[in-house]
Amino acid sequence: QLQLHESGPGLVKPSETLSLTCTVSGDTVSSDDYYWGWIRQTPGKGLEWIGNIYSTGTTFYSPSLRGRATMFLDKSKNQFSLRLTSVTAADACLYFCARMSLAASWFDPWGRGTLVAVSS
Amino acid sequence: SYVLTQPPSVSVAPGKTASITCGGNNIGSKNVHWYQQRPGQAPVVIIFYGSDRPSGIPERVSGSNSGNTATLTISSVEAGDEADYFCQVWDFDNDQPVFGGGTTLTVL
Repeated sequence: QLQLHESGPGLVKPSETLSLTCTVSGDTVSSDDYYWGWIRQTPGKGLEWIGNIYSTGTTFYSPSLRGRATMFLDKSKNQFSLRLTSVTAADACLYFCARMSLAASWFDPWGRGTLVAVSS
Repeated sequence: SYVLTQPPSVSVAPGKTASITCGGNNIGSKNVHWYQQRPGQAPVVIIFYGSDRPSGIPERVSGSNSGNTATLTISSVEAGDEADYFCQVWDFDNDQPVFGGGTTLTVL
């Protein structure tokens, strides 16, 4: 059964870099059939797509993040990761990783999410 | 970018029918997907391509899409249907997925 599990520091200082990892089990991030994505959720503001990464390492990012996001794969560990630079209080929220089929445009399944706080 | 508009909340009595709308410019020309997010859990897709159900989703959950509005309909609502519901489409002009703001379904 495919499962995704997010991990990260929980707390990041303002202006520093947030690093999150998604560990995949039951599938491989080397698959040619899927994108691997990050989505975040803020209370009252719903879901916001951050970006997708393909098995070749090709990445796609939301323009709203203005170049602060970087995603990469670690095929040896079957993981993909997100780095978000220059974080502010606006980046404090719940971060999900998820899979998206190349043949479709929805995310399934999702990880349980990891909560990130931003504070000095 | 493309904008999807959902009502913040919908309330319905048990056994009745809940309709949750998702508005967008000519959304009827797009593939709409719906997610259910129960408290403390991750979103789960319950409708894809506007009206298709994944295995395990009951027939009382249905979707439609036409014009500027997509609709998620849940008939014979149960207490277990209390959740947040999100619509999502692919914005081909900006090559990115877009989510609606979400609707909280309350079962009275």
